[in-house]
Amino acid sequence: EAQVTQNPRYLITVTGKKLTVTCSQNMNHEYMSWYRQDPGLGLRQIYYSMNVEVTDKGDVPEGYKVSRKEKRNFPLILESPSPNQTSLYFCASSPDRGGQPQHFGDGTRLSIL
Amino acid sequence: LAKTTQPISMDSYEGQEVNITCSHNNIATNDYITWYQQFPSQGPRFIIQGYKTKVTNEVASLFIPADRKSSTLSLPRVSLSDTAVYYCLVGEATGGFKTIFGAGTRLFVKA
Repeated sequence: EAQVTQNPRYLITVTGKKLTVTCSQNMNHEYMSWYRQDPGLGLRQIYYSMNVEVTDKGDVPEGYKVSRKEKRNFPLILESPSPNQTSLYFCASSPDRGGQPQHFGDGTRLSIL
Repeated sequence: LAKTTQPISMDSYEGQEVNITCSHNNIATNDYITWYQQFPSQGPRFIIQGYKTKVTNEVASLFIPADRKSSTLSLPRVSLSDTAVYYCLVGEATGGFKTIFGAGTRLFVKA
């Protein structure tokens, strides 16, 4: 089954404790992206990747890092999480063209105390 | 990227046809129009994509006038399960690109 898998689905942690949210897709897609969703603000893009080792900033990249060492994986790294990064996060992928419909994961709800 | 404008919310009744219009005055020549549906605490799900005129699939129809400055998502005979947020996006269909979702339209279907 074609899918985008995020882990963990839920996480409560404390300020400053580094964390990584993993994202993996099994569709051999070249394009992957991370979004955060906050009430009243909709979905905002954090980072995206057009291919292995090629990443670029979205609209809200501050406080986040990403890497794309393999085609299937696109982890989101919070080096020093802060409470304003408490949010619902989604990973998505699409075929070789970014404008192709994106397949989304089920989301990761992060709470940073 | 072209900015999109949609109504914040809409109400409908089961069995009715719902039309949600999206305005994108600054759409570029290479831009496609894509609609997503999102249920609470789930990732958005692709509904339909088009470039011009009319596109129809098993879920919805997308109407795009000749000037492409707006588009209308048409949901035939909605049911309670169509209650969701609907997003209109405009962007290139080639190459990796930034994605801007906007606030979306919250559709509430009543019995």
